[in-house]
Amino acid sequence: EAQVTQNPRYLITVTGKKLTVTCSQNMNHEYMSWYRQDPGLGLRQIYYSMNVEVTDKGDVPEGYKVSRKEKRNFPLILESPSPNQTSLYFCASSLSSKQETQYFGPGTRLLVL
Amino acid sequence: DQQVKQNSPSLSVQEGRISILNCDYTNSMFDYFLWYKKYPAEGPTFLISISSIKDKNEDGRFTVFLNKSAKHLSLHIVPSQPGDSAVYFCAARLYGNKLVFGAGTILRVKS
Repeated sequence: EAQVTQNPRYLITVTGKKLTVTCSQNMNHEYMSWYRQDPGLGLRQIYYSMNVEVTDKGDVPEGYKVSRKEKRNFPLILESPSPNQTSLYFCASSLSSKQETQYFGPGTRLLVL
Repeated sequence: DQQVKQNSPSLSVQEGRISILNCDYTNSMFDYFLWYKKYPAEGPTFLISISSIKDKNEDGRFTVFLNKSAKHLSLHIVPSQPGDSAVYFCAARLYGNKLVFGAGTILRVKS
């Protein structure tokens, strides 16, 4: 089944404790992206990757890091989480950077205390 | 500065009637508009899209209308069904794969 998977689905952590949210897609998509969803703000892009070893900042990159060492994986790293990073996170992918339709993972709900 | 706005946080409609979800945008450089649907505990799923060179696109019960002069688009669902109850996000493409999303509208279809 073609899909985007994220782990973990739910996470409670404390300020400053490094964490990684994994994202994997099995559709051989070139383009991958991370979004956060907050009430009243919709989905905002954090980082994106056009292909392996090619990443760039989105609209709200502060406090986040990403890497793209393999085509299928695009982990999101919070080196020192803070309470304002409490949010619902979505990973998405699409065939290429020219295709407007993106496929989303199920989401990761993060609470930073 | 929100470039894509969905001014109605929620909408309630009777089963079988029409649902109309609205979206306004400010950037005339957007070249594609999309609607995504999201159920609780799931990721958004693509519903329907329209190119900026068209004014209407239809897919079964779903029709999207684009009014470029008013910088307005709408999603019509006819007839509405209880399974359509979800959050609907309007999104606009700026370039490449850069999507700008609205805040979402919660649709409740009552049976």
